[in-house]
Amino acid sequence: AVQLVESGGGLVQPKESLKISCAASGFTFSNAAMYWVRQAPGKGLEWVARIRTKPNNYATYYADSVKGRFTISRDDSKSMVYLQMDNLKTEDTAMYYCTAEGGEYWGQGVMVTVSS
Amino acid sequence: EIVLTQSPTTTAASPGEKVTITCLASSSVSNMYWYQQKSGASPKLLIYSTSSLASGVPDRFSGSGSGTSYSLTINTMEAEDAATYYCQQWSSNPLTFGSGTKLEIK
Repeated sequence: AVQLVESGGGLVQPKESLKISCAASGFTFSNAAMYWVRQAPGKGLEWVARIRTKPNNYATYYADSVKGRFTISRDDSKSMVYLQMDNLKTEDTAMYYCTAEGGEYWGQGVMVTVSS
Repeated sequence: EIVLTQSPTTTAASPGEKVTITCLASSSVSNMYWYQQKSGASPKLLIYSTSSLASGVPDRFSGSGSGTSYSLTINTMEAEDAATYYCQQWSSNPLTFGSGTKLEIK
């Protein structure tokens, strides 16, 4: 069965950094573009970042709200996708989900809280 | 950026009633995806490529549309369908979601 399992969330102060991870299994990870999507408490879904596959040079894309602060990466040998979040702001507080291209598979999410 | 506008924002339906949620795109998109999200859970894919039913989704759900206008229909409302529904376009970067439609049971 396909599984996406996020980890690494927690409480951090503004301007601090945090790296969250997503472990994938049950599908050919190296063939799938991967995404991070977030949801602030009581709010809707917001796409955060996307990373394509090796044939597409691992191209990355970011929402304007996180560009220059967040970095998405992947390790195909470990079937892992990461989101390095720097200079965090209170408005980054959200549940962060990883999902694969097509939207059929989603992780359970990991909570990131940015507060002083 | 393609903006997706969903309507209604909130609605309620009785068991057996037909429900339609619409999603208008600010520019033409080639396909629309629909998700169901229940409280405390991850989004669940219902419809992909505008009208294809995702695996395990009851056939009372259907999707249609083209260009800038898309819709999700629940043919006969059931209590378990109470949730928030989101449309999403994957056609162009940045991928965007609608703001959601909260569906309640009467």
